[in-house]
Amino acid sequence: LAKTTQPISMDSYEGQEVNITCSHNNIATNDYITWYQQFPSQGPRFIIQGYKTKVTNEVASLFIPADRKSSTLSLPRVSLSDTAVYYCLVGDAAGNKLTFGGGTRVLVKP
Amino acid sequence: NAGVTQTPKFQVLKTGQSMTLQCAQDMNHEYMSWYRQDPGMGLRLIHYSVGAGITDQGEVPNGYNVSRSTTEDFPLRLLSAAPSQTSVYFCASSPRDSHYNEQFFGPGTRLTVL
Repeated sequence: LAKTTQPISMDSYEGQEVNITCSHNNIATNDYITWYQQFPSQGPRFIIQGYKTKVTNEVASLFIPADRKSSTLSLPRVSLSDTAVYYCLVGDAAGNKLTFGGGTRVLVKP
Repeated sequence: NAGVTQTPKFQVLKTGQSMTLQCAQDMNHEYMSWYRQDPGMGLRLIHYSVGAGITDQGEVPNGYNVSRSTTEDFPLRLLSAAPSQTSVYFCASSPRDSHYNEQFFGPGTRLTVL
């Protein structure tokens, strides 16, 4: 199982870009990298998924280096409503034991 | 679509009682899972299923049973509740074409065991 390590918390200000890096040194060839956002008292919500290089959607970008031992979630121009916990998940395509890491608590200040 | 629904939203049990947490999804997803989240902590996988009739254990399966008789439903049974099982329980489902990694979560069930 690929274990993930993320910073416990990060502070930012409105309008700034936030980059959260997740370390997954023992990622397997058939593992995918997925990021989730969770607000208090809610279930996690899917943000973005990737396998290698760069993926971008309407809310975030995901950067994955060639060795795939880490990944960086980039949130452009954050607002107060982006204050949440962000989780990195590494799991295989068969869905075996998809395990969340500890998450990164992001606080966006005015 | 209702997505993933969970009942009840809140539950208080006494030590030793049993109960079933219900989870249903209407998206025809093959994969379903149960997680627990203790206060201020991350999610821990209890059990999961890659299709009807197939279940497997996650990180913390002790004290819980699951079954998957239909694609839509994935109930979680607490056999004999203990205070250590006080937690928020989330059910999730995922389609095969996301490699099962894009999970859709329900609103959660807050369980307190006295």
